[in-house]
Amino acid sequence: QSVLTQPASVSGSPGQSITISCTGASSDVGTYSYVSWFQQHPGKAPKLIIYDVIYRPSGVSDRFSGSKSASAASLTISGLQAEDEADYYCSSYSTSSSLVVFGIGTKVTVL
Amino acid sequence: QLQLQESGPGLVKPSETVSLTCTVSGGSISGTNYYWAWIRQPPGKGLEWIGCIYYTRSTYHNPSLKSRVTISVDTSKNQFSLKVRSLTAADTAVYYCARAPMAAAASFDFWGLGTQVTVSS
Repeated sequence: QSVLTQPASVSGSPGQSITISCTGASSDVGTYSYVSWFQQHPGKAPKLIIYDVIYRPSGVSDRFSGSKSASAASLTISGLQAEDEADYYCSSYSTSSSLVVFGIGTKVTVL
Repeated sequence: QLQLQESGPGLVKPSETVSLTCTVSGGSISGTNYYWAWIRQPPGKGLEWIGCIYYTRSTYHNPSLKSRVTISVDTSKNQFSLKVRSLTAADTAVYYCARAPMAAAASFDFWGLGTQVTVSS
């Protein structure tokens, strides 16, 4: 099964903005606007923070925003805070994997 | 508030079959707009979608696991289940159950806490 490509790690200082990319193909990110992002702290279940490329679930900070261009989606975290240090995963609807494919994950470090 | 809770044996031997159950509370699994999914995470690694089921018993599976996986639903108990056959050490992982809207099958909005499955003799 193919997976979505993410950088292994991204870091930033408190207050800065960082962006995580999620690169797919025409069978997923390139064609469909069904990209989601999840935040996972160590030992915890993932938490949905962005769905359908740009939408935030109720209760999620507006410091998180999503976008997409061609076959690459992006998650931007603005005003980076210590609590944002976590692993982040993208996911997409996919016609090549029977329904869903995940990204390989990105570790965000707050310096 | 919807809650999902996984349950399973924890430790299983290689070549055996593991059965996991996800109990849903605070909402009906028979709701017409949601898929019920299984996702796993090997130690130190990323998330892997295993498959999902609709309350009508229609299923979708990760092609890499399809031959070893069965997903079923019991609407009378508000539960859905996962069986993985012919286990190897590579199946050692935390197994999560989750819900996703049918209109956005990759946006899992509610998750269980996860259950550890260790494959070892």
